[in-house]
Amino acid sequence: GIQVEQSPPDLILQEGANSTLRCNFSDSVNNLQWFHQNPWGQLINLFYIPSGTKQNGRLSATTVATERYSLLYISSSQTTDSGVYFCAAVQGAQKLVFGQGTRLTINP
Amino acid sequence: KAGVTQTPRYLIKTRGQQVTLSCSPISGHRSVSWYQQTPGQGLQFLFEYFSETQRNKGNFPGRFSGRQFSNSRSEMNVSTLELGDSALYLCASARDRTYEQYFGPGTRLTVT
Repeated sequence: GIQVEQSPPDLILQEGANSTLRCNFSDSVNNLQWFHQNPWGQLINLFYIPSGTKQNGRLSATTVATERYSLLYISSSQTTDSGVYFCAAVQGAQKLVFGQGTRLTINP
Repeated sequence: KAGVTQTPRYLIKTRGQQVTLSCSPISGHRSVSWYQQTPGQGLQFLFEYFSETQRNKGNFPGRFSGRQFSNSRSEMNVSTLELGDSALYLCASARDRTYEQYFGPGTRLTVT
């Protein structure tokens, strides 16, 4: 089955900095989603982006399907952006395969 | 529109017992999937139900089972609980013919 790898595993930044999180996947995908897991464990949808570029406020994402990677950009980071970010891919069925996550810490 | 809801939110059980978790999808969503999250294994797919039928299954033992009702609500059951079943169990729903999934708040199960 498809493999999903995220990098870096940990990222520590100062408030106001920009960050880039990467997600590599091993095969073509029907779906690529980015999530932010809140402190209570819920996965919050950030982007549904099997290809192309989308933006939502300070967050944007780009998926280059032909090269099998996706990037999540966070600009002007705030302490509330801290947490774990997951990407997950679907290949042919309603079965998300998750990466191991990137733990982002934004210090004031 | 209300989001995905899961009950209970927290649960403590003893080894050998069984447990049933419930998930109500977003209105109009007929696909419901279940995932297990542990510190060691990360987020893993358990199974997916669509129109009361199990459509996809992950690599979990038969102690893990589920079902879906005609109103799309789903339950998962874990029998003969083991310490390793302690985890956050997440439910997600999706619209027909789309792959975008929306998650509930999860049920945190502790097995002692």
